[in-house]
Amino acid sequence: NAGVTQTPKFQVLKTGQSMTLQCAQDMNHNSMYWYRQDPGMGLRLIYYSASEGTTDKGEVPNGYNVSRLNKREFSLRLESAAPSQTSVYFCASSATAGVSRTIFGQGTRLTVV
Amino acid sequence: AQSVTQPDIHITVSEGASLELRCNYSYGATPYLFWYVQSPGQGLQLLLKYFSGDTLVQGIKGFEAEFKRSQSSFNLRKPSVHWSDAAEYFCAVAATRGGSEKLVFGKGTKLTVNP
Repeated sequence: NAGVTQTPKFQVLKTGQSMTLQCAQDMNHNSMYWYRQDPGMGLRLIYYSASEGTTDKGEVPNGYNVSRLNKREFSLRLESAAPSQTSVYFCASSATAGVSRTIFGQGTRLTVV
Repeated sequence: AQSVTQPDIHITVSEGASLELRCNYSYGATPYLFWYVQSPGQGLQLLLKYFSGDTLVQGIKGFEAEFKRSQSSFNLRKPSVHWSDAAEYFCAVAATRGGSEKLVFGKGTKLTVNP
């Protein structure tokens, strides 16, 4: 099925460990995004990539890095995980701004202990 | 900066009753507005969107929303709620830049439906 695929779906990390969340879309979308969702906070933008080869910070970028590997893939890396990064992470993609709708993946539930 | 306020954290309605979820936004230009729904443990599903034109927007699952520029509001409505509508609802405004569509979300309204 076409859409946004995130891996893994669940992950438990120890404080200080690193990991990369993977995201791929097969809709030929130009833009991709990483959001985090915390209880009572809605979703907040971490980083986004307007097009292949570009990345920009969102509202809450500290502690994260991203890579737009190609048009399909956009990864999010936690270099040294902290308990404050316990959250549900959503990857999303969109086509041309103004006419598209953003499509979300199913999320990755990350717990940092 | 763009912002979205959903004044109601939690709403409880009886099945068959009408529903209105409130959303107020702050945005300098003409906003692109969205309502998403999230069932427990699931991703986000788009209910409806407003870009321009008719200010009353129809969405999926019998939902509609009305854009009121004078009140900076985009409230979501449904005439008769079903038990399956129990979920969390998010209003969002899009900040477009360089081809991207960054979404700024409200904090959400959790809907409980009583039988």
